Amino acid sequence: AQSVTQPDIHITVSEGASLELRCNYSYGATPYLFWYVQSPGQGLQLLLKYFSGDTLVQGIKGFEAEFKRSQSSFNLRKPSVHWSDAAEYFCAVVPGSGGSNYKLTFGKGTLLTVNP
Amino acid sequence: EAGVTQFPSHSVIEKGQTVTLRCDPISGHDNLYWYRRVMGKEIKFLLHFVKESKQDESGMPNNRFLAERTGGTYSTLKVQPAELEDSGVYFCASSYGTGLSTDTQYFGPGTRLTVL
Repeated sequence: AQSVTQPDIHITVSEGASLELRCNYSYGATPYLFWYVQSPGQGLQLLLKYFSGDTLVQGIKGFEAEFKRSQSSFNLRKPSVHWSDAAEYFCAVVPGSGGSNYKLTFGKGTLLTVNP
Repeated sequence: EAGVTQFPSHSVIEKGQTVTLRCDPISGHDNLYWYRRVMGKEIKFLLHFVKESKQDESGMPNNRFLAERTGGTYSTLKVQPAELEDSGVYFCASSYGTGLSTDTQYFGPGTRLTVL
């Protein structure tokens, strides 16, 4: 069964500092990969996704993620964090074979705190 | 355009009582999904509707859970009778496509259910 690991439950960074959130997946083939963010009182919002092609993908709000097949990783990065980035971040996958396999498998999430 | 909405935002009930959660998807989205996050665990898939039909309910935990989507618009998820382990956050999502793994799922803010 596929699984997603987000090793960091909680990360605290200072505003303006760089950020990297880790995500590793376990799956027999290359899945489709997603990062979602949930701000307080809001729904899960899609930040970015990777299906194929260029392994560095750009998302909204200045985020990017890099797919590394050899490490089964899809880490999320931002060069300079803003206070409004404080939220919970979720990595998710679906099987990459296409077709009607839409069930997202999520990691446990990483809570980001931003200090002024 | 209105996003996915869920009602109520928070529900506190006694063990053995019944609770009904509602989800209104984005207008025009034929696909509707329910997910659940139990405290400390991952967000997990419960079921998928295409219009009014249940496409996949493989994630439903047991027969105390009943989901409906009359007329292919909003959906309800009823828990009857509720047990302590049903506590968690219930997310609804919708997507426009044909239920493929490449369709973006748009999530609501969730309903936090507390069973005492």
